[in-house]
Amino acid sequence: GESVGLHLPTLSVQEGDNSIINCAYSNSASDYFIWYKQESGKGPQFIIDIRSNMDKRQGKRVTVLLNKTVKHLSLQIAATQPGDSAVYFCAERRSGNTPLVFGKGTRLSVIA
Amino acid sequence: DTGVSQNPRHKITKRGQNVTFRCDPISEHNRLYWYRQTLGQGPEFLTYFQNEAQLEKSRLLSDRFSAERPKGSFSTLEIQRTEQGDSAMYLCASSPGASPEPQHFGDGTRLSIL
Repeated sequence: GESVGLHLPTLSVQEGDNSIINCAYSNSASDYFIWYKQESGKGPQFIIDIRSNMDKRQGKRVTVLLNKTVKHLSLQIAATQPGDSAVYFCAERRSGNTPLVFGKGTRLSVIA
Repeated sequence: DTGVSQNPRHKITKRGQNVTFRCDPISEHNRLYWYRQTLGQGPEFLTYFQNEAQLEKSRLLSDRFSAERPKGSFSTLEIQRTEQGDSAMYLCASSPGASPEPQHFGDGTRLSIL
């Protein structure tokens, strides 16, 4: 069935480099997308969100890009730090439905 | 701390027992959600409330599961006659009620069935 997925299950980056985490979604009716960070033993922590009428949104050290043509979402983390090590999930809200649909997650490991 | 609070953090019980979890949402958040997360997977939606009204239930929510939010504030999730497959992290999230909006999660209750 339709689902939110991720291209890479694990990503290792050097401290100070930029990280890019990708996500593919299959429901063209989705109108809202969120990135969450989850550390071991904790709940998902909101990072940044974007509505479908936008293609880019920036936060502190993070940028989310949305390409609706190819149904692709990415999270860019600038100057990756050891504290960024975690599992990252993208989630979509399918238009008209409030619950979020999550993918499996990408584990980001930062090498000091 | 003004985040979403969940209790207990861990619950270990024998198969067949009933368990109840509690979630206290962020103050004045109208919407409250329950999700289940198994190892290596993203959270899966179970049910959500708008104030005290339960508006949607996933097909994952079998008849052994029941959730309440009696006064539109805290919520409880009860699992009756627990099974091995119920072992998971149960997450609660809340949001103000102006859609679309980010949901803010608690740190979950980890349930282990012996």
